[in-house]
Amino acid sequence: GQQVMQIPQYQHVQEGEDFTTYCNSSTTLSNIQWYKQRPGGHPVFLIQLVKSGEVKKQKRLTFQFGEAKKNSSLHITATQTTDVGTYFCAVQGGTYKYIFGTGTRLKVLA
Amino acid sequence: SQTIHQWPATLVQPVGSPLSLECTVEGTSNPNLYWYRQAAGRGLQLLFYSVGIGQISSEVPQNLSASRPQDRQFILSSKKLLLSDSGFYLCAWSVLGDKGANVLTFGAGSRLTVL
Repeated sequence: GQQVMQIPQYQHVQEGEDFTTYCNSSTTLSNIQWYKQRPGGHPVFLIQLVKSGEVKKQKRLTFQFGEAKKNSSLHITATQTTDVGTYFCAVQGGTYKYIFGTGTRLKVLA
Repeated sequence: SQTIHQWPATLVQPVGSPLSLECTVEGTSNPNLYWYRQAAGRGLQLLFYSVGIGQISSEVPQNLSASRPQDRQFILSSKKLLLSDSGFYLCAWSVLGDKGANVLTFGAGSRLTVL
């Protein structure tokens, strides 16, 4: 079946440092979504990317879709303690279902 | 506005006991409904999804089952729980949007511990 790998699995950063997580697919994607799950909480949708090479920004978060539409990245500039959580990418495994990546757990040290 | 409710929020069940988790969505019609499971510290595993009443697609063969008796109701069940069924169960809904993409909105989850 379709596999979606995220790296790194864990990342500890000092507050103010940057953070990047990468999502890689074995197949070409029609679109990719990113979700954030706070500790003890449920995943919350952040953004969706559709076009090859697309770059979208949300304040300190920058999302990028690869030119070949097989990978994506999420970059956080100057992390804050509120950024703590697990970041998941999700790809379409069929018309109606989404397959989630393995996730990257971010810990921010104050 | 749309809301999604899941219950119970937490439960502790003995091995071999039955299970019923319920999820309801308000404020939308004919949503796609999903059950995901998350083991402690792990990713999200898709268990079932449904695109309409009585229509269930199973992703993982196991001792769990799902039913959709009404348009906005999704139930996850088991006749006999295993230790490996412990985890965080998340219900989600979506509506097919632009460019064929679904945006998933998750409920608060049900945390199951099987002893």
